[in-house]
Amino acid sequence: SQTIHQWPATLVQPVGSPLSLECTVEGTSNPNLYWYRQAAGRGLQLLFYSVGIGQISSEVPQNLSASRPQDRQFILSSKKLLLSDSGFYLCAWSTIGGGNQPQHFGDGTRLSIL
Amino acid sequence: AQSVTQLGSHVSVSEGALVLLRCNYSSSVPPYLFWYVQYPNQGLQLLLKYTTGATLVKGINGFEAEFKKSETSFHLTKPSAHMSDAAEYFCAVSSDSGGYQKVTFGTGTKLQVIP
Repeated sequence: SQTIHQWPATLVQPVGSPLSLECTVEGTSNPNLYWYRQAAGRGLQLLFYSVGIGQISSEVPQNLSASRPQDRQFILSSKKLLLSDSGFYLCAWSTIGGGNQPQHFGDGTRLSIL
Repeated sequence: AQSVTQLGSHVSVSEGALVLLRCNYSSSVPPYLFWYVQYPNQGLQLLLKYTTGATLVKGINGFEAEFKKSETSFHLTKPSAHMSDAAEYFCAVSSDSGGYQKVTFGTGTKLQVIP
């Protein structure tokens, strides 16, 4: 069966520090991968998606970047964190095929910026 | 363009009562619709989905939803609420977009179950 792992589960970082959140998927090949940010009362905002190794698309301009160095690995990064980067970050995967495929989510990383 | 509106950010029901969470969507193409559930400090878990075919779809934990094209709705129901149903529920609409799945989520409805 397929599984998705995100780490760390929680993170407290000072403003201006770098960030690296990692997500890996097991049990499937060539998945579509997604990073979302969730803010209270605002649903999920898509940050990045990837349809293959090295292929990253950004949905919104921001202080963050993403990379996909391996087929089942997706990394969210920042060089200098801002207070506004606080939130709950979720990684997800889906099979290639189309909009009728559900997305499968990791357990998220709660990021607090001080 | 696609969008999702969930009416009611908070819904309270008594244990054993009917659960009804409302979702209306907008889509320029035939929609794929999903309901997800999120427990505190966890990711989203798929409850059920509508793609094609039967408009009444059944999901996990006794939930079901009915796709009504004329009303552009996909409301989630459960005949009898259980304490373990307390969570946040997200409705989502999805479409194909150049090789990836473009999903728009509603803002969520927090369900409280009163004993």
